[in-house]
Amino acid sequence: GAGVSQSPRYKVAKRGQDVALRCDPISGHVSLFWYQQALGQGPEFLTYFQNEAQLDKSGLPSDRFFAERPEGSVSTLKIQRTQQEDSAVYLCASSLVAGGPTDTQYFGPGTRLTVL
Amino acid sequence: AQSVTQPDIHITVSEGASLELRCNYSYGATPYLFWYVQSPGQGLQLLLKYFSGDTLVQGIKGFEAEFKRSQSSFNLRKPSVHWSDAAEYFCAVGAYSSASKIIFGSGTRLSIRP
Repeated sequence: GAGVSQSPRYKVAKRGQDVALRCDPISGHVSLFWYQQALGQGPEFLTYFQNEAQLDKSGLPSDRFFAERPEGSVSTLKIQRTQQEDSAVYLCASSLVAGGPTDTQYFGPGTRLTVL
Repeated sequence: AQSVTQPDIHITVSEGASLELRCNYSYGATPYLFWYVQSPGQGLQLLLKYFSGDTLVQGIKGFEAEFKRSQSSFNLRKPSVHWSDAAEYFCAVGAYSSASKIIFGSGTRLSIRP
């Protein structure tokens, strides 16, 4: 596809369940970002990959959150033992080159996670 | 630390009227500044960005923004809004770091009055 795609678009989980959210970046994009957007708030940075290397995970809120990009393309954000406070829209973005915010980030439509 | 403030949570303007959305940033050096728009069910779309040079930046959809260092502001403007401009608008700041991350404001929701 031409843009960043994410799946599923909607996910409902019971508290304590594990979830996996997928991001397909634009083909050839080196950088990949995950953001969390709570209701009524702006996106907050979670983690950043340059190819398969996770260069920054400072935004991950707890050790229940884990992200990977094993082949430098598709990425998965995994949340273990989900809690109600994890309910949010999870956004993925990719950019063509590595390093620096001057490179435009292209965002996917997001996955809305609701934890009951 | 970098931060972005959008003081207006919700703004309503009449179709055809001019628009200005406010954004103030906090950053020690020259920031990289962005405006994004988010329509319901859509991903964030970049409207415009400022890195250096001319402080008046033109973007897509007829939007422009002006960087004012003395006021730490980067307000978004449009001379005449259209009903399709109704959306959430986010100002953001970025800087070179290992993360290359962007810090977003909390957003301003724009409604258009027919």
